[in-house]
Amino acid sequence: EVQLVQSGAEVKKPGESLKISCKGSGYSFTSYWIGWVRQMPGKGLEWMGIIYPGDSDTRYSPSFQGQVTISADKSISTAYLQWSSLKASDTAMYYCARQAGWLQFSEWGQGTLVTVSS
Amino acid sequence: QSALTQPRSVSGSPGQSVTISCTGTSSDVGGYNYVSWYQQHPGKAPKLMIYDVSKRPSGVPDRFSGSKSGNTASLTISGLQAEDEADYYCCSYAGSYTLGVFGGGTKLTVL
Repeated sequence: EVQLVQSGAEVKKPGESLKISCKGSGYSFTSYWIGWVRQMPGKGLEWMGIIYPGDSDTRYSPSFQGQVTISADKSISTAYLQWSSLKASDTAMYYCARQAGWLQFSEWGQGTLVTVSS
Repeated sequence: QSALTQPRSVSGSPGQSVTISCTGTSSDVGGYNYVSWYQQHPGKAPKLMIYDVSKRPSGVPDRFSGSKSGNTASLTISGLQAEDEADYYCCSYAGSYTLGVFGGGTKLTVL
């Protein structure tokens, strides 16, 4: 069974750094793109970017380029999303998802809630 | 890249059919056959319902169908059931620079 398990909820202050994770299991982690999707409170889904763990090829949505960093460690089947300096506007639920085909997010993690507040 | 345009809400009675539209441009929906649809219940992760415009993943009921005409994609749900009440999002490939864009979401209410 394909599973994506994300790290737990985080509460941070503005300006702090953060790295959240998404561990894949039940499939060849290096053979499928992993995407990250943001959902701000009460709002819709936003496509952030994707990474191919096999060679770490990474693509960002123009809206998120330079704002976050997506990475992966294929030795432990884990993808990451990180911020160097959080803002209150980064408060949201973040989902990782396995991309079985172009924009075909077939399996999703349970989500990681990030709260940024002073 | 602007989000794809979806109606804020639609509704229908059990057993009826509803259609949710997703309007983009020739640079996304109209330019590629990579449109997917996701169902999201409150407090849950999204679930893939349709991919490549009209294909259904294993396990998704055939009451769900997808289509596209020009720059507009559509999700049709026939034989509405109470458990179909959820938010629905379309998503389209938008080229090698933007890659992906979601619609704003549609809240489906089963009356």
